[in-house]
Amino acid sequence: NAGVTQTPKFQVLKTGQSMTLQCAQDMNHNSMYWYRQDPGMGLRLIYYSASEGTTDKGEVPNGYNVSRLNKREFSLRLESAAPSQTSVYFCASSAVLGAPSTDTQYFGPGTRLTVL
Amino acid sequence: AQSVTQPDIHITVSEGASLELRCNYSYGATPYLFWYVQSPGQGLQLLLKYFSGDTLVQGIKGFEAEFKRSQSSFNLRKPSVHWSDAAEYFCAVGNSGYSTLTFGKGTMLLVSP
Repeated sequence: NAGVTQTPKFQVLKTGQSMTLQCAQDMNHNSMYWYRQDPGMGLRLIYYSASEGTTDKGEVPNGYNVSRLNKREFSLRLESAAPSQTSVYFCASSAVLGAPSTDTQYFGPGTRLTVL
Repeated sequence: AQSVTQPDIHITVSEGASLELRCNYSYGATPYLFWYVQSPGQGLQLLLKYFSGDTLVQGIKGFEAEFKRSQSSFNLRKPSVHWSDAAEYFCAVGNSGYSTLTFGKGTMLLVSP
């Protein structure tokens, strides 16, 4: 039982390049999330997927796209990377969105992205 | 809109001393409150959560937190800090109705010998 896994762990891009961050969970969770973490800013929600087949924008969606490929996988794509997207990206999952008794979010180890 | 304030960016505590990390939230109804911990280079791990019932919540690693509605606070406490507690701590708030969580900006805990 690996929990939430993310690939890659580190990535360096040049401005304008594209890439996809991969996330998978093996806990049979319905809901998945993408956050970015910047110094002094805490975690900010980029996109989330309440259930398979649905995605919604979070606080900072501009410059990103997501795909809920199936129940296990939720990917984040940067179509044209910018230096402002240099950050640590975390994927998380939870059993059910908005059910606090069970809505513990489990986090992956993160992807450290640098855009030059 | 819900929001979370963690007033302290950094806190330094001597090993063996007690700890209190502050968290204030803004939300109209009864909030659901969480504390997460992030060790260097790691993802976030849930310490404890409050969603109903007893306002004093026990968590893992000897942590506890108390929900005080009158003060809109959910402060995290530990009676005796260990060097391994050095990490960044995040408070988060959610609500009912299929919402997401809003995180505070974090408090970095440093433990001195």
